[in-house]
Amino acid sequence: AQTVTQSQPEMSVQEAETVTLSCTYDTSESDYYLFWYKQPPSRQMILVIRQEAYKQQNATENRFSVNFQKAAKSFSLKISDSQLGDAAMYFCAYSGHNNNDMRFGAGTRLTVKP
Amino acid sequence: DVKVTQSSRYLVKRTGEKVFLECVQDMDHENMFWYRQDPGLGLRLIYFSYDVKMKEKGDIPEGYSVSREKKERFSLILESASTNQTSMYLCAAREVGQPQHFGDGTRLSIL
Repeated sequence: AQTVTQSQPEMSVQEAETVTLSCTYDTSESDYYLFWYKQPPSRQMILVIRQEAYKQQNATENRFSVNFQKAAKSFSLKISDSQLGDAAMYFCAYSGHNNNDMRFGAGTRLTVKP
Repeated sequence: DVKVTQSSRYLVKRTGEKVFLECVQDMDHENMFWYRQDPGLGLRLIYFSYDVKMKEKGDIPEGYSVSREKKERFSLILESASTNQTSMYLCAAREVGQPQHFGDGTRLSIL
């Protein structure tokens, strides 16, 4: 089964600064999807960003962008101009192109310091 | 917008009880999932279903079963609850290739 690894259990960033969260994955497939989810204390899982493996261009959503390195099987999330509301658990997830299921990493807890 | 509703936010049950966690989605998605979330372990897939009456085991199915009699409803069953099943349970729904839509989670305590 595919595995997703988030090597940073906790990260912190100063408000207005930039932080990068790491994610690596293991797969033998060539076409797949990658996601970053945010889970604030309210527990609701919120989709942050989505990347399709066949697209070379890195996905961007406002202050959130990814660095997708397909050969290295790396999918990091960059948060620019960090805000207090960005404090949450962040989960990286993988889904095969024709697969129904999705695999998640262990998560990174992000703290934003005022 | 897809809405996934879990029947309880908090639930307390006793060891040995049969426990039902209910999940309903309103967008006619084929696929539904049950995850368990524990600190340091992320979300682990218990079971998923890709159609009515169809189910597949995930990574940690032991001690659990599921039921999908209607497309919109996916139930997780703890046949005989044990204390090591105390956890946060998340239900999700999606179409292949699309993001998952999650419910708010059920925090289950087994005493």
